[in-house]
Amino acid sequence: AAGVIQSPRHLIKEKRETATLKCYPIPRHDTVYWYQQGPGQDPQFLISFYEKMQSDKGSIPDRFSAQQFSDYHSELNMSSLELGDSALYFCASSLEDGWTKNSYNEQFFGPGTRLTVL
Amino acid sequence: DAKTTQPPSMDCAEGRAANLPCNHSTISGNEYVYWYRQIHSQGPQYIIHGLKNNETNEMASLIITEDRKSSTLILPHATLRDTAVYYCIVRLNFGNEKLTFGTGTRLTIIP
Repeated sequence: AAGVIQSPRHLIKEKRETATLKCYPIPRHDTVYWYQQGPGQDPQFLISFYEKMQSDKGSIPDRFSAQQFSDYHSELNMSSLELGDSALYFCASSLEDGWTKNSYNEQFFGPGTRLTVL
Repeated sequence: DAKTTQPPSMDCAEGRAANLPCNHSTISGNEYVYWYRQIHSQGPQYIIHGLKNNETNEMASLIITEDRKSSTLILPHATLRDTAVYYCIVRLNFGNEKLTFGTGTRLTIIP
């Protein structure tokens, strides 16, 4: 079965540079979530989109922005990168109003993008 | 969302049942208990969820106390591949609801 695809899987940037992370949800999923997991920390919710509109916002820095496109893929844009932005960034997708095999509104996670800021 | 409390770490012998507790004393009537796990640096994976009745699927069982203030995730026959961080999350069960991860329990399966 198709899973959530994230690209790139690894990314190395310098301080003050910009980065763009991409997420391709499971086909027919209409909701995308972004989570950030720092070294030794637990995942923290950043932002989510439903039908191309922002649906919720967490502790996302103003330097970050995101959007969901007409094909439902999403991009997380990060500017003026700081050392503290080094983390694993997970994207998850779900179907806003539908049952999957296991659960209603289950979130399926991608493999993550490991961002290293030097 | 209600806050959850889990032990930071647990060990379990391979082949035995692993019982992971979670306290959620401030859970509200319309909030569900969800369990996810994260195997080293992989994306979190859904395990099971419930409202007030005990639930079982091919991965695990979930036992929720009658007052709903605590729950236990049971992995009936733990294998080495079950070594992971297990997160108990309380959330509303409607579309688009985010997951709020706490500190979780690091479960280590001992050969």
